[in-house]
Amino acid sequence: GENVEQHPSTLSVQEGDSAVIKCTYSDSASNYFPWYKQELGKRPQLIIDIRSNVGEKKDQRIAVTLNKTAKHFSLHITETQPEDSAVYFCAARGTGTASKLTFGTGTRLQVTL
Amino acid sequence: NAGVMQNPRHLVRRRGQEARLRCSPMKGHSHVYWYRQLPEEGLKFMVYLQKENIIDESGMPKERFSAEFPKEGPSILRIQQVVRGDSAAYFCASSPSGGIANEQFFGPGTRLTVL
Repeated sequence: GENVEQHPSTLSVQEGDSAVIKCTYSDSASNYFPWYKQELGKRPQLIIDIRSNVGEKKDQRIAVTLNKTAKHFSLHITETQPEDSAVYFCAARGTGTASKLTFGTGTRLQVTL
Repeated sequence: NAGVMQNPRHLVRRRGQEARLRCSPMKGHSHVYWYRQLPEEGLKFMVYLQKENIIDESGMPKERFSAEFPKEGPSILRIQQVVRGDSAAYFCASSPSGGIANEQFFGPGTRLTVL
């Protein structure tokens, strides 16, 4: 089955700096890669996603890149703000009837003033 | 347009009791997924259901756990004879279909504590 690895597990940046979180996946057939943000005690919320026919996608301060050959994808947050502090999860989904998401282990991002 | 709803939000059970967790998908969504999140860990897939059908239960323990999504009413995740290791947050998500194009929307979760 699919295996998703995520690094780093914790990340501390100063406000205004950029943050990068990286994930690798094992199943070359996976074709959908969402990123979720989860604040303490809250539900995971989708912040951006990318499909395998696209190499990069950007939404304001957030961007995601995908390298299918290397089977890795990354989340980039620019001009970080304190409200970006949360746990971020990457995920991958395969094809066919396997619609489940396989999640990474999460990255706790702390944006300090 | 209400989002995914789950109840109860918090559930306390003693070892050996049964836990029933409910999930009402978003309006128009016919696909439901259950995930379990242990403290300080990621989300682990448990089961994927459509109305009256279990599509994929590969992540659900074979014993004590069962899930259903009846024609009418919410999806139910049932845990019999709970043990302390079942303590976790259980999230359900829904999507309009199981296709790649569809985002999974998560509910607020049920936090199960087994005493």
